[in-house]
Amino acid sequence: GAVVSQHPSWVICKSGTSVKIECRSLDFQATTMFWYRQFPKQSLMLMATSNEGSKATYEQGVEKDKFLINHASLTLSTLTVTSAHPEDSSFYICSAIGLWQGDGYTFGSGTRLTVV
Amino acid sequence: SQKIEQNSEALNIQEGKTATLTCNYTNYSPAYLQWYRQDPGRGPVFLLLIRENEKEKRKERLKVTFDTTLKQSLFHITASQPADSATYLCALLNGGSQGNLIFGKGTKLSVKP
Repeated sequence: GAVVSQHPSWVICKSGTSVKIECRSLDFQATTMFWYRQFPKQSLMLMATSNEGSKATYEQGVEKDKFLINHASLTLSTLTVTSAHPEDSSFYICSAIGLWQGDGYTFGSGTRLTVV
Repeated sequence: SQKIEQNSEALNIQEGKTATLTCNYTNYSPAYLQWYRQDPGRGPVFLLLIRENEKEKRKERLKVTFDTTLKQSLFHITASQPADSATYLCALLNGGSQGNLIFGKGTKLSVKP
């Protein structure tokens, strides 16, 4: 079945630094990738949608200059949290879908970001 | 605005019993509804999809029902096992077939031996 690999699984960084999270579709070409954020005991909230080769579409309230998304190939999308602050600490999850999309969406294993 | 609610934040049951989780939605007419399992510190894993013209769907010990009049889906796990302990999320598709998913907050199921 479809596999989405997300790295790193966890990261701790200092306030003010940037962190890059990678999301790869291993056995299919991902025409669209979604980035979600999840706070404890909350639902997954969509941050942005990215299509290969075009600019990401951000949800209302998500700062595009702070959360940089690059979807340069059909198998890789990256999310960079720039100038991270403690309030950016959260669980970030990517999801990828392809043209021949089956019933369910495939998600990465998530990245726990802690900003100290 | 579209809303999806899972009324129970947590559900505790005894091993062997049937767990029933509820998902309600408003301001939406979904073509289908999905259920996912999420373990702590992991991404969601797809379990089942049910379409608007289907009343019920089964997969092994899992059963999902979909009532478009009540705007509700029920998710059942029969003969529950401690390994079924996880958070279960219902999700609706936003937009077309390549759209994003909107999730409920989830119900954390604990199955006690």
